[in-house]
Amino acid sequence: EIVMTQSPATLSVSPGERATLSCRASQSVSSNLAWYQQKPGQAPRLLIYGASTRATGIPARFSGSGSGTEFTLTISSLQSEDFAVYYCQQYNNWPPSWTFGQGTKVEIK
Amino acid sequence: QVQLQESGPGLVKPSQTLSLTCTVSGGSISSGGYYWSWIRQHPGKGLEWIGYIYYSGSTYYNPSLKSRVTISVDTSKNQFSLKLSSVTAADTAVYYCARGYGPTGAYFDYWGQGTLVTVSS
Repeated sequence: EIVMTQSPATLSVSPGERATLSCRASQSVSSNLAWYQQKPGQAPRLLIYGASTRATGIPARFSGSGSGTEFTLTISSLQSEDFAVYYCQQYNNWPPSWTFGQGTKVEIK
Repeated sequence: QVQLQESGPGLVKPSQTLSLTCTVSGGSISSGGYYWSWIRQHPGKGLEWIGYIYYSGSTYYNPSLKSRVTISVDTSKNQFSLKLSSVTAADTAVYYCARGYGPTGAYFDYWGQGTLVTVSS
């Protein structure tokens, strides 16, 4: 199983500041990585797929980068609605055994 | 706008079978091009992909759950379903249905609201 490790577990950021979230895979997943945002009591929302492609309707302040085993989600200027938990997900293996990271909570500083 | 809605019992006894249905609206499962997944989230924890089905009926399951999982589709009702047998307290979770997007349906662009299933006697 490919293990996804996210860091930090919690990130305290002031509104308007940049947030940088990391995701590491236990083995290469190429660019087969997605990011999701989840707010309390809601389902996750797809932000990024293919490591760097924004999903439909996702603001440009969200960007993804990386390949292989190291990935980053950057939120360039945090808005109030961006405080949430963020998950990465790999989808490299076949037959599928897709796995998620444990999440990074972005909280207001 | 595609919408998904989970339904089923919120309480299941240990050793019994958990059964959930996802009703899709705003789009047809049988039109193809998408894969229909079940994903769960243990309380306060991360996400776990359970498995998916294509409109043709082909399925793939998470190897860790494969022996207990069955996913089926009813295109006439635009629904797909999850059965998880021999449940224990470890299967207590919020269960989501989701539409899988991309060449292998591997990332999820539409989700249901989720339904909490508690396993308890």
